[in-house]
Amino acid sequence: EVKVVESGGGLVQTGGSLRLSCIGSGFNFNDYWMNWFRQTPGKGLEWEWVASIKEDASETYYVDSVKGRFTISRDNAQNLLFLQMNSLRVEDTALYYCARDRAGGRACDIWGQGTRVTVSS
Amino acid sequence: EIVLTQSPATLSLSPGERATLSCWASQSIKSYLVWYQQKPGQPPRLLIHGASIRATGVPARFRGSGSGTDFTLTISSLEPEDFAVYYCQQRRDWPITFGQGTRLEIK
Repeated sequence: EVKVVESGGGLVQTGGSLRLSCIGSGFNFNDYWMNWFRQTPGKGLEWEWVASIKEDASETYYVDSVKGRFTISRDNAQNLLFLQMNSLRVEDTALYYCARDRAGGRACDIWGQGTRVTVSS
Repeated sequence: EIVLTQSPATLSLSPGERATLSCWASQSIKSYLVWYQQKPGQPPRLLIHGASIRATGVPARFRGSGSGTDFTLTISSLEPEDFAVYYCQQRRDWPITFGQGTRLEIK
């Protein structure tokens, strides 16, 4: 079965840090772009893209609101995707999802169940 | 940033009826438009990519169309399992952006 599973969410105070992980299985992890998204229940289930990383990690992209605070990385030998989140803000509270880009890119075909991040003041 | 606007916010229909959901982009995104379906407590499910290409396993009653700035998702005859929230997403440029969603509810 092709799947991705997130972990690492939790409750943290403003200014704190968390590291999210996502492990892929059932596919050649190093052949795919990987992404982090988040969904915020308080905003009518609004979706926001957070970051993306190329297959070989040579390119990374971030939404402006997390630039300089979050870092996306991957360990292809371990089939792992990471999101290091520093200087967390209340507005980072969300359900964070790891998602695989389909072969050929430009859409996500495999999604995890999400890991919840709550930032309290 | 490319802004996507979906309409309507909520669509109330009965099983067997035809659903038409719209997504407009603030600038041309060519055909880099994706449609997802999301049910409560679940992650999104990929339905359509490249504006009109059905993903693997997606029933033929789902049809995507459009290019440039105007896009449509049509569900030809609603099944009970189709009632969900539908999001469009653009993959033309960074940042990746989403529409605000259309909730398809049973009338």
